[in-house]
Amino acid sequence: GDSVTQMEGPVTLSEEAFLTINCTYTATGYPSLFWYVQYPGEGLQLLLKATKADDKGSNKGFEATYRKETTSFHLEKGSVQVSDSAVYFCALRGTGANNLFFGTGTRLTVIP
Amino acid sequence: DGGITQSPKYLFRKEGQNVTLSCEQNLNHDAMYWYRQDPGQGLRLIYYSQIVNDFQKGDIAEGYSVSREKKESFPLTVTSAQKNPTAFYLCASSIGAGGKGEAFFGQGTRLTVV
Repeated sequence: GDSVTQMEGPVTLSEEAFLTINCTYTATGYPSLFWYVQYPGEGLQLLLKATKADDKGSNKGFEATYRKETTSFHLEKGSVQVSDSAVYFCALRGTGANNLFFGTGTRLTVIP
Repeated sequence: DGGITQSPKYLFRKEGQNVTLSCEQNLNHDAMYWYRQDPGQGLRLIYYSQIVNDFQKGDIAEGYSVSREKKESFPLTVTSAQKNPTAFYLCASSIGAGGKGEAFFGQGTRLTVV
C-alpha cells in the first residue's frame, strides 16, 4: 500500500543554516506529494505541493522536487529563521485515492 | 473567509462519557476527514466521507462514530468504547476524493480524559 517515510527528528539548527528534511514514498502510479507545517497547538497548513514528476513546489523559501526515479520529495530551505520552528509532515495522495498518507513528522527547532 | 472550523478547541471528558467534536467547512468540499494525532505517531485516519450520507472507516475507527447529514458538517463522536481517547483531533476537507488535491485542516480539538 501507499506509505511515506520521513526523516526522524528532532532537528536543531542555528539561524541561517541550511535545512534538509528527507522524505521518501511508496506508491503505485503517480501520486501527488505535499509538505505540511504544524505550529504548536494548531492544525496543519499546506506548505507546498507537487503533482507530477520533476515538479518543484516552493513557498516561503522552502522547496521540494518530485523525484520519481528515487521516489523522494525532500524539503529544503537555504537559510532558516527562528520562526520556521515547527513540525513538518510529508504526505502523499495516491492516484485515485480517497485519502492522504502522512509521515510521522519532523520537529525543527531553530535557535538564534 | 473560507475555511474549516473545529470546536471546541479544548474538551475534557469523564470516563464512560460520549463526547462529540464539531467540524464545519464553508469551502464547498465534497470530501471530509477525521485524523487523530498522538506524539511521535503522525496522523492516523479515523473516518472519511466522500459525499453526504456516506462515510467509510479509516485505520482506527473503533470507538468512534460519525455522521454526514450535511455537506458542510462532519461531527465525530468519541464513545465510551474508545479506551484511550486523549489525543489531538484534526478535521480536514478536500475538493473531492480521488483527485490530486490537498487537504485543508481545521485548528484541531484537544481531548483529555479526566
